[in-house]
Amino acid sequence: NAGVTQTPKFQVLKTGQSMTLQCAQDMNHEYMSWYRQDPGMGLRLIHYSVGAGITDQGEVPNGYNVSRSTTEDFPLRLLSAAPSQTSVYFCASSAFVGAPTFGSGTRLTVV
Amino acid sequence: KNEVEQSPQNLTAQEGEFITINCSYSVGISALHWLQQHPGGGIVSLFMLSSGKKKHGRLIATINIQEKHSSLHITASHPRDSAVYICAPQGLGGGGADGLTFGKGTHLIIQP
Repeated sequence: NAGVTQTPKFQVLKTGQSMTLQCAQDMNHEYMSWYRQDPGMGLRLIHYSVGAGITDQGEVPNGYNVSRSTTEDFPLRLLSAAPSQTSVYFCASSAFVGAPTFGSGTRLTVV
Repeated sequence: KNEVEQSPQNLTAQEGEFITINCSYSVGISALHWLQQHPGGGIVSLFMLSSGKKKHGRLIATINIQEKHSSLHITASHPRDSAVYICAPQGLGGGGADGLTFGKGTHLIIQP
């Protein structure tokens, strides 16, 4: 069982470029979420979804879009990359009651 | 918002030592998660607690709901335990990412 598959693992973008980080889970979890992790700070919630067709903003949503057309997939779109979006991004999924399962992370650098 | 404090922020110990990492939070919760992140690696769930104590191998997690405090213990520590340990209380609203608050993590280094 794959769990949560997150791609790509590394990415370098130029300021102003757009890209999509992919996240897929095969555990039929209702909840999916995107976090960013920066040095000296805890994981911060960007966007989350409680089921297909339902998304909501987290703590730091500006500059990012999400959609949830299926239970399995929850892509994160950077609309116009900025150096402040240089970070490590994690996707996670969970059942309503249960521990989260994290993807392996994407290290993004915006130059 | 739940305020989460972990201590210590950094801990270096010798192989074999007993390790304790503490987590305090400010508001009521439905459960608390302990996570582990190895350097450059992904994040793995170690425990989900709503009361009492859980044990998995050399790792023990305890929680005191009334005191709003949880501890993670490692017995007979080993260099492979070197990682960042993250405490994440789950809000009373229940499941899902929107209910999680994360501590900043405890950086643990176990020297041979």
